[in-house]
Amino acid sequence: GAVVSQHPSRVICKSGTSVKIECRSLDFQATTMFWYRQFPKKSLMLMATSNEGSKATYEQGVEKDKFLINHASLTLSTLTVTSAHPEDSSFYICSARADEDLSRRGYTFGSGTRLTVV
Amino acid sequence: RKEVEQDPGPFNVPEGATVAFNCTYSNSASQSFFWYRQDCRKEPKLLMSVYSSGNEDGRFTAQLNRASQYISLLIRDSKLSDSATYLCVVNVRGAQKLVFGQGTRLTINP
Repeated sequence: GAVVSQHPSRVICKSGTSVKIECRSLDFQATTMFWYRQFPKKSLMLMATSNEGSKATYEQGVEKDKFLINHASLTLSTLTVTSAHPEDSSFYICSARADEDLSRRGYTFGSGTRLTVV
Repeated sequence: RKEVEQDPGPFNVPEGATVAFNCTYSNSASQSFFWYRQDCRKEPKLLMSVYSSGNEDGRFTAQLNRASQYISLLIRDSKLSDSATYLCVVNVRGAQKLVFGQGTRLTINP
């Protein structure tokens, strides 16, 4: 159990266009999902916390108008990178908390989306 | 100071060796601790949670020292398939998010 599906796995887009990434919890409801970005050989950096039915909470330094997050249902959160530029090229990963007992299950991650902006 | 600090490595060890990773965290309100494993270009996967009493899962042993705010991971009889980046991860009481260390890269050599 506790599967998180993320699509697409890889996307190449032109500079100036927008890209939408979907994150779905397949066998559980996730009131909270998290979006991370990871640059090569660096650790995961939390971008924002996505809350079902309310506005996302963005980390310091992350532009909310550029990285639009929508969490319209208990099983789906989307991240839209608007007006993408080459510096937005990165590995984007979502995660969801599968169980209130964090010590037992931790968080489950999607398989990630590798975005390349050309 | 980073919230979670790890030695980035890389660690290169021969197959069969024992290898130990260390991690320190700065927030004394941290309540949950994990080791995740991340393969190249893949998502992190939970390796094990870390408990104050220490816990073992096969060849892997994790220890937590709350007084020193220190977490460790020991891998015994290392296999080629253990090659990966190991992430020390902490959750702070009252916060939903996880805080990641920068990861320690391990390569097991035949």
